Amino acid sequence: EVQVLESGGGLVQPGGSLRLSCAASGFTFSSYAMTWFRQAPGKGLEWVSTIDIGGGPYYADSVKGRFTISRDNSQNTLYLQVNSLRAGDTAVYYCARLLNWGSTPYNWYFDLWGRGTLVTVSS
Amino acid sequence: QSVLTQPPSVSGAPGQRVTISCTGGSSNIGAGYDVHWYQQLPGTAPKLLIYGNTNRPSGVPDRFFGSKSGTSASLAITGLQAEDEADYYCQSYDNNVSALFGGGTKLTVL
Repeated sequence: EVQVLESGGGLVQPGGSLRLSCAASGFTFSSYAMTWFRQAPGKGLEWVSTIDIGGGPYYADSVKGRFTISRDNSQNTLYLQVNSLRAGDTAVYYCARLLNWGSTPYNWYFDLWGRGTLVTVSS
Repeated sequence: QSVLTQPPSVSGAPGQRVTISCTGGSSNIGAGYDVHWYQQLPGTAPKLLIYGNTNRPSGVPDRFFGSKSGTSASLAITGLQAEDEADYYCQSYDNNVSALFGGGTKLTVL
């Protein structure tokens, strides 16, 4: 079955760190760019970070310098290291597979999503 | 402007047709990037509903239609069913933000 499954969320104090994981199966993980999104309670979707097939990272301004995306193609796993966490980082974090539509570069869309992992930042 | 604007809510009776609009700007839809739509049922992850403005992935009913014109896009749902009650998000690429989502529209089936 083609799927991605996130893990690693939890309750962490402000200033703390976590490493989120996303295990992929059923497709050739190394051939796809991958992305992390988040959704704060009762709010909409927010793009967090993307990593391309060469390992090149892209970050939202809100997380730049605090979050690090990486991938291990031998383990078919995507990671997000989240540091210096703030209350505003509280959200469900989703990983998703990225596709590009047509010939226009960066015409991104996301066809496969995991169920998410909840990160709660609170003292 | 790095914003995609959607109405907060829409509603319709079973069997009716509803539309959800998504208005962007010169750095996203107006820059030539296409629009994609996602459905998020209560308590679940988003699901791709429409890609490349008008295309349905395998398994998505043909009651869902996407369109794009200028700096805006629309999602139409015909023959509304109770199971369509969900949040709907449009998404495009933005030169300033990368993947950009609209604020979401809550569809209520009356």
